[in-house]
Amino acid sequence: DVKVTQSSRYLVKRTGEKVFLECVQDMDHENMFWYRQDPGLGLRLIYFSYDVKMKEKGDIPEGYSVSREKKERFSLILESASTNQTSMYLCASTIMGKEQYFGPGTRLTVT
Amino acid sequence: DQQVKQNSPSLSVQEGRISILNCDYTNSMFDYFLWYKKYPAEGPTFLISISSIKDKNEDGRFTVFLNKSAKHLSLHIVPSLPGDSAVYFCAASAWDNYGQNFVFGPGTRLSVLP
Repeated sequence: DVKVTQSSRYLVKRTGEKVFLECVQDMDHENMFWYRQDPGLGLRLIYFSYDVKMKEKGDIPEGYSVSREKKERFSLILESASTNQTSMYLCASTIMGKEQYFGPGTRLTVT
Repeated sequence: DQQVKQNSPSLSVQEGRISILNCDYTNSMFDYFLWYKKYPAEGPTFLISISSIKDKNEDGRFTVFLNKSAKHLSLHIVPSLPGDSAVYFCAASAWDNYGQNFVFGPGTRLSVLP
């Protein structure tokens, strides 16, 4: 069974703080993704990575950066958290040509 | 501009009846389509998929239909059960220079009433 884990289920941060969200998958998948989910907007792609040290911007990369130093780990960084980054953050991984496997999500609140 | 649309934000169905969830897409480069189910405070879980070379795929109570000319797909759940109550996301996939990419619709909240 594929397992995708995320470092925190719930997180509360203050405006201006640097925030790290970590994602780990255990199935040797090449591709990893970070999305945010907001009501009525579905899942919007922030960044994705198709290999170690490789990253590509998704649809809404502003205010975020990512790091992929190891194949199994994909980190999302909010350089200076803002209230409009309050959201559910979802990490996913996939092997090419197949469906994505999602982590349980991190509910981030920025106050 | 949304490439994948789910025009019904919510749907209520009686237990035992059929649920039909609809999805429309605009990009003709999409060649693989998926449905995910999401419960509150959990990540989406994969339900069923269909390749663009097919027009129907069935898995137990779940059937996905694809009409390429209309750029439309639908998910049928028969019979609907209370445990099916969740948000359903339609997703479409295409390949670009970096590999496979996925675009999600906004979701439809299905409520199955006992």
